[in-house]
Amino acid sequence: NAGVTQTPKFQVLKTGQSMTLQCAQDMNHEYMSWYRQDPGMGLRLIHYSVGAGITDQGEVPNGYNVSRSTTEDFPLRLLSAAPSQTSVYFCASKTSGGARTDTQYFGPGTRLTVL
Amino acid sequence: AQTVTQSQPEMSVQEAETVTLSCTYDTSESDYYLFWYKQPPSRQMILVIRQEAYKQQNATENRFSVNFQKAAKSFSLKISDSQLGDAAMYFCAYRGYNTDKLIFGTGTRLQVFP
Repeated sequence: NAGVTQTPKFQVLKTGQSMTLQCAQDMNHEYMSWYRQDPGMGLRLIHYSVGAGITDQGEVPNGYNVSRSTTEDFPLRLLSAAPSQTSVYFCASKTSGGARTDTQYFGPGTRLTVL
Repeated sequence: AQTVTQSQPEMSVQEAETVTLSCTYDTSESDYYLFWYKQPPSRQMILVIRQEAYKQQNATENRFSVNFQKAAKSFSLKISDSQLGDAAMYFCAYRGYNTDKLIFGTGTRLQVFP
């Protein structure tokens, strides 16, 4: 049971390049989400998904695309990277439905630098 | 919209002493969940403690306890017998009853001195 995995751990891009941050979980969780963490701003929700084929925008979705073709995977795509997207990105998952005793599991994070 | 505020960007404590981290939140919901997460230098997000709003009793987990004041919308974290390994960034987070989305505060960096 690997939990939530993210690749890569570090990435440097040039402005205008595209890339995909990978996220996978092996806990059969319906809910998956992407956050970005910036100094002094905490974690902010980018996109989330409540199940395969269903995605929705969070607080800061501009510049990012997501898709959810399987329960296990939830990739985050940057189509044209900008310096403002320099951040640490976290993927998280949990069972869906707001159950009272559930826990949100976080991946180890990806540090992205856009030059 | 719900918001979470952590007004202490940095705190420090002597080893073995007690420290309290503050968190306030704003919501119109009557049932919700509150969390404290720890983020050490490794970046891993670690759940420290969870509180369900319908429960009046404050949650405790070993040396970690909360002071949940629902009317005041306050959710502080008390760390007793502080250890060097407690040094980290601490985030307060809110989740509504019928949603899976977490709303985070801006964090408090805790330093522990020997």
